[in-house]
Amino acid sequence: GNSVTQMEGPVTLSEEAFLTINCTYTATGYPSLFWYVQYPGEGLQLLLKATKADDKGSNKGFEATYRKETTSFHLEKGSVQVSDSAVYFCALSAYNTNAGKSTFGDGTTLTVKP
Amino acid sequence: NAGVTQTPKFQVLKTGQSMTLQCAQDMNHNSMYWYRQDPGMGLRLIYYSASEGTTDKGEVPNGYNVSRLNKREFSLRLESAAPSQTSVYFCASSGTGAQPQHFGDGTRLSIL
Repeated sequence: GNSVTQMEGPVTLSEEAFLTINCTYTATGYPSLFWYVQYPGEGLQLLLKATKADDKGSNKGFEATYRKETTSFHLEKGSVQVSDSAVYFCALSAYNTNAGKSTFGDGTTLTVKP
Repeated sequence: NAGVTQTPKFQVLKTGQSMTLQCAQDMNHNSMYWYRQDPGMGLRLIYYSASEGTTDKGEVPNGYNVSRLNKREFSLRLESAAPSQTSVYFCASSGTGAQPQHFGDGTRLSIL
């Protein structure tokens, strides 16, 4: 079956530091890959996505590249801000999955200190 | 620009009471989902619905029932609440195929 493995947290960084959150996946076929962000007290929001190999998703300074050869989709940001403190989820959805179900990683908590 | 709306936002129940959590989406999505989120456990799928009139079990369906009332609405019912069902419940919806999911803001449920 499909699975997503995320870098374990929590991750604590100083403001303006470089961020990487690792994500690897196992899936049959060619899934679409997503990063979601969850701020305290809220639901998950789509942060970025990539639908095929070598695609780069980007949003709000965050980037992730769909690497088929390493089955990875690592999230990066060059300079984090306090407002980026949140929980980040990597996820995939495969076209052959019933009802468009997604498989989610366990989430990585990021805390950015001033 | 409502997206996915969940009611109520907070609820406290006593063991054995019943309750229905409501969810509605205005994006004309075919698929809808119910998850629970517990500390350190990530998201766990309770039930999902691929289309109006169909529902299927997810990873943790025991103790829950669902109804896909129409294309917009998907409700989750706890018939006899137990303390182990204390959690944050999220409803989500998505289009057909490998599409991202859109989440509500959650219902925070405590069972005493």
